[in-house]
Amino acid sequence: DAMVIQNPRYQVTQFGKPVTLSCSQTLNHNVMYWYQQKSSQAPKLLFHYYDKDFNNEADTPDNFQSRRPNTSFCFLDIRSPGLGDAAMYLCATRSRLGNQPQHFGDGTRLSIL
Amino acid sequence: SQQGEEDPQALSIQEGENATMNCSYKTSINNLQWYRQNSGRGLVHLILIRSNEREKHSGRLRVTLDTSKKSSSLLITASRAADTASYFCATVNSGGSNYKLTFGKGTLLTVNP
Repeated sequence: DAMVIQNPRYQVTQFGKPVTLSCSQTLNHNVMYWYQQKSSQAPKLLFHYYDKDFNNEADTPDNFQSRRPNTSFCFLDIRSPGLGDAAMYLCATRSRLGNQPQHFGDGTRLSIL
Repeated sequence: SQQGEEDPQALSIQEGENATMNCSYKTSINNLQWYRQNSGRGLVHLILIRSNEREKHSGRLRVTLDTSKKSSSLLITASRAADTASYFCATVNSGGSNYKLTFGKGTLLTVNP
């Protein structure tokens, strides 16, 4: 089935050690998103791509970077993770057509030691 | 930023009962969407309702939209234990990016067997 796949499901890293989270999609959607979700909160948008056009949210820390080398793949890089970055990271995609929902992966749970 | 507010924040019912969750928002919208999130998983799209629509059904789900009151409701009929999840409303706001969702804080629904 077409889907959004996030790897790994669980990631543990050390304080300050760079980490990369991965997302791939088989939907061929133009738009890809990265969200951060902390316990009992709504997802918070970090940034999104329309094709290769990168759109950063104003309050996304510089510590968070992203790459989209092609339509299918998108990466979230956290350059120097702090304890406050422990969260679930969700990737989502959307068609460019109007009035369409977003399709989410199952997320990567990031823990910081 | 979040503009949606779900009500109630938590709801506990018995299997077979109906569950109603409400969502209010502040700005004009293009559409409103409801998502479900099981614990530790990604969000799953349930229903999208456009601003010119008043009601939509999908299986046991019924969504209403009142743009004059800037509110929406999600009704789950004949609930099942498997319906236990967090439910989020999210809006695509008029005048903003068609590709960004503004999420509410969510309702945690518990259906007791």
